[in-house]
Amino acid sequence: ETGVTQSPTHLIKTRGQQVTLRCSSQSGHNTVSWYQQALGQGPQFIFQYYREEENGRGNFPPRFSGLQFPNYSSELNVNALELDDSALYLCASSLGTADEKLFFGSGTQLSVL
Amino acid sequence: AQSVTQLDSHVSVSEGTPVLLRCNYSSSYSPSLFWYVQHPNKGLQLLLKYTSAATLVKGINGFEAEFKKSETSFHLTKPSAHMSDAAEYFCVVRFSSGSARQLTFGSGTQLTVLP
Repeated sequence: ETGVTQSPTHLIKTRGQQVTLRCSSQSGHNTVSWYQQALGQGPQFIFQYYREEENGRGNFPPRFSGLQFPNYSSELNVNALELDDSALYLCASSLGTADEKLFFGSGTQLSVL
Repeated sequence: AQSVTQLDSHVSVSEGTPVLLRCNYSSSYSPSLFWYVQHPNKGLQLLLKYTSAATLVKGINGFEAEFKKSETSFHLTKPSAHMSDAAEYFCVVRFSSGSARQLTFGSGTQLTVLP
């Protein structure tokens, strides 16, 4: 058990809607990274949050945004959902931005219809 | 640019036989390389990591990987497969984006273990 929890586990939305995914990091971890895993592919880095600030971003449009709270939990928000946003969204926590050992949650499966 | 290529999308072995999952990387400097495993409905788990200390890296559950700079490879091996090894395996390279340590994942290799 890694201690990283994500909610909800599954979600169905329609194109154009907005969605918020949540992540509670492992105790003591101050850094949270989000990844998108499309079916049959490896996870792709969306962004990282450290001490409530965005600390690096992958090749994703601005409609993907996030928040980190003082207790280090995090949210991923996606606006104007597109069909291609259907994927497994993974949250990973770590002890600082340079820590190479990430602890992943089981993910949120998002389906956009 | 850094990238990682997993040469096999599916590998099937019999229980008790060796496992070989192949990975090649591209990096403009000495990379940090990892193998992660993903079991169904479970989070990704770190198997092992290479960070230049030793070319042969031992991980959990009997897995190991050898870094070969001349071949730009980081293949994952295990002498004897168990049924519980059936999962998706990802080869991963780490690079920096600002101060963030960003992982780039390969496309994955699905390992099937036959009884």
